[in-house]
Amino acid sequence: EAQVTQNPRYLITVTGKKLTVTCSQNMNHEYMSWYRQDPGLGLRQIYYSMNVEVTDKGDVPEGYKVSRKEKRNFPLILESPSPNQTSLYFCASSFGWGSTGELFFGEGSRLTVL
Amino acid sequence: AQSVTQLGSHVSVSEGALVLLRCNYSSSVPPYLFWYVQYPNQGLQLLLKYTSAATLVKGINGFEAELKKSETSFHLTKPSAHMSDAAEYFCAVTLGTGNQFYFGTGTSLTVIP
Repeated sequence: EAQVTQNPRYLITVTGKKLTVTCSQNMNHEYMSWYRQDPGLGLRQIYYSMNVEVTDKGDVPEGYKVSRKEKRNFPLILESPSPNQTSLYFCASSFGWGSTGELFFGEGSRLTVL
Repeated sequence: AQSVTQLGSHVSVSEGALVLLRCNYSSSVPPYLFWYVQYPNQGLQLLLKYTSAATLVKGINGFEAELKKSETSFHLTKPSAHMSDAAEYFCAVTLGTGNQFYFGTGTSLTVIP
């Protein structure tokens, strides 16, 4: 089954404790991206990657890191989480951009930083 | 940067009534446009997309959207609402280069029996 898998789905952590949210897709997509969803703000792009070893900042990259060492994986790293990073995070992937750039989303990871 | 405006963060309709969810984009050229739906505790699923062919686009579950370039709008409609349509709906755009997608703030649809 074609899917984007995120882990963990739920996480409660404390300020400053490094964490990684994993994302994996099995569709051989070149493009992967991370979003955060906050009430009243919709989805905002954090980082995206057009291929292996190619990453770019989205609109809200501060406090986050990513890496793309393999085509299928695109982990999101919070080196020193803070309470304002409490949010619902989505990973998404697609074949490419433009009209073929339909995004396939994971089920989301709800992160709480105390 | 692109922007997407969804008017009305909450819309309520009666079952069987017309659904109209509004989306306006800012761009001098028509971008690539999408509508996504998010059911509770789930990720987003594609409803429909504008592919630069027909301006009236049909999607899943009876939804459709029409691109009106003069109004820079891409409103989502469904002739008759069903209880299962209750969800959050997002309009999204990309210019196709640079791969940045921009999402609206979402519209929560409630269907009243």
